[in-house]
Amino acid sequence: GENVEQHPSTLSVQEGDSAVIKCTYSDSASNYFPWYKQELGKGPQLIIDIRSNVGEKKDQRIAVTLNKTAKHFSLHITETQPEDSAVYFCAARGSGGTSYGKLTFGQGTILTVHP
Amino acid sequence: GAVVSQHPSRVICKSGTSVKIECRSLDFQATTMFWYRQFPKQSLMLMATSNEGSKATYEQGVEKDKFLINHASLTLSTLTVTSAHPEDSSFYICSASQIVLKGKYEQYFGPGTRLTVT
Repeated sequence: GENVEQHPSTLSVQEGDSAVIKCTYSDSASNYFPWYKQELGKGPQLIIDIRSNVGEKKDQRIAVTLNKTAKHFSLHITETQPEDSAVYFCAARGSGGTSYGKLTFGQGTILTVHP
Repeated sequence: GAVVSQHPSRVICKSGTSVKIECRSLDFQATTMFWYRQFPKQSLMLMATSNEGSKATYEQGVEKDKFLINHASLTLSTLTVTSAHPEDSSFYICSASQIVLKGKYEQYFGPGTRLTVT
């Protein structure tokens, strides 16, 4: 099955700095890569996603890049704000076999933005 | 964006009892719903996938007789934890898929249910 590795596990930045979280996946058939933000005691919230036919996608301060050859994708947050502090999860969705339609999550990154 | 609700948000039950958790897609029809479990400071682990009107598909290691899933309509799925034990204490999160374009769909998560078994 799919395996998703996420780094770093914790990330601490100063307000205004950029934050980058990286993920690698194992199943080359995976075709959808969402990123979720989870605040304490709440469910994950979809913040951005990218599909396998696109290399980069941007939404205001958030961007995601995908390198299919290397099987890795990254989340970039610019001009970070204290409200960005949360746990961020990457995920990969399989397109075939037993992984079809299922999201496999990375281990999560605790992002702390210091004022 | 699409909204998924869960009820209850928190529940405390005694060991040996059963607990039912509801998951609803509020503004869209979800052909597929997923149930996840999340332990403290850990990632989400898929428990089962359910399609409306059919039996749920459980992930390896998840006891289907213990975690009963019913997906009776396109907007409602329920997870029943039977004969709960303290080790079942966890954060249970449901998710529902919404078709955004032909062949493309996005997955939205509910707010989660904190289950504590005493």
